Amino acid sequence: DVKVTQSSRYLVKRTGEKVFLECVQDMDHENMFWYRQDPGLGLRLIYFSYDVKMKEKGDIPEGYSVSREKKERFSLILESASTNQTSMYLCASSFFGQPNTEAFFGQGTRLTVV
Amino acid sequence: DQQVKQNSPSLSVQEGRISILNCDYTNSMFDYFLWYKKYPAEGPTFLISISSIKDKNEDGRFTVFLNKSAKHLSLHIVPSQPGDSAVYFCAASAHQAGTALIFGKGTTLSVSS
Repeated sequence: DVKVTQSSRYLVKRTGEKVFLECVQDMDHENMFWYRQDPGLGLRLIYFSYDVKMKEKGDIPEGYSVSREKKERFSLILESASTNQTSMYLCASSFFGQPNTEAFFGQGTRLTVV
Repeated sequence: DQQVKQNSPSLSVQEGRISILNCDYTNSMFDYFLWYKKYPAEGPTFLISISSIKDKNEDGRFTVFLNKSAKHLSLHIVPSQPGDSAVYFCAASAHQAGTALIFGKGTTLSVSS
C-alpha cells in the first residue's frame, strides 16, 4: 500500500519561530510536492522537487524554503512563521516523467501560528 | 491568473441523482487531467483521470468527460450517494518531466438522503 507520511497532524507555533514540516514517502517516487489548502483558494503549490537536492518554486514560495537531501524525504521550512501561514499543508509524491500518473497525498498538517 | 477553474464552489444533489462537477482550463499544454476527492482533515485521494487523447473515461459510478476544443472537463457521478459528500478538486498537468499538478479551487458536493 502506497504511503506518504507527514510528521504531524496538528502543530501550534508562535510568530517568528522556525518551523519544520517533514514528509516521507515509501514509493520510490522522484517527484515530491508541498501544497497549502485554504478555504476558497483550493490547493496552491509552494515548492516541488523532482530529484534529490533539486527544487522548483511553485506559485507561492515566499516565506518558505525546502530541503531534499534524500529521495524519500522532503521538508518544508517556514523561516519565521507568521499568522498568515496558518493553513493546512499537504505533501504529495509521484513518479517522474510518466504522463499518466497521479500524485499521492499525505494526511495533511494543520498548522496554526499564534 | 488561474489556469484551472472550478467556478461552482458548491453543489447539492439528492441521493440517487446525477452529480455533475465542472472544470475549465486555460493552458493548452495541459494533456492530463485528474479529479481528487477530499474529506475534512484528510489528504486528497485520487478518483479518476483522463488523458488528452481521450474524450471519456469511466470507472464504476464515476465518468470524466473532456472537451479539448472548449478546454472543459466534467465529472459525472451516477448515482450519487451520501458518502460522496466531499470537496472535489480538478487538477491538470503538462507532459513534461518535473511539472507539478495544478489544482482548481474545489467544489463542495453535498448529497442528501
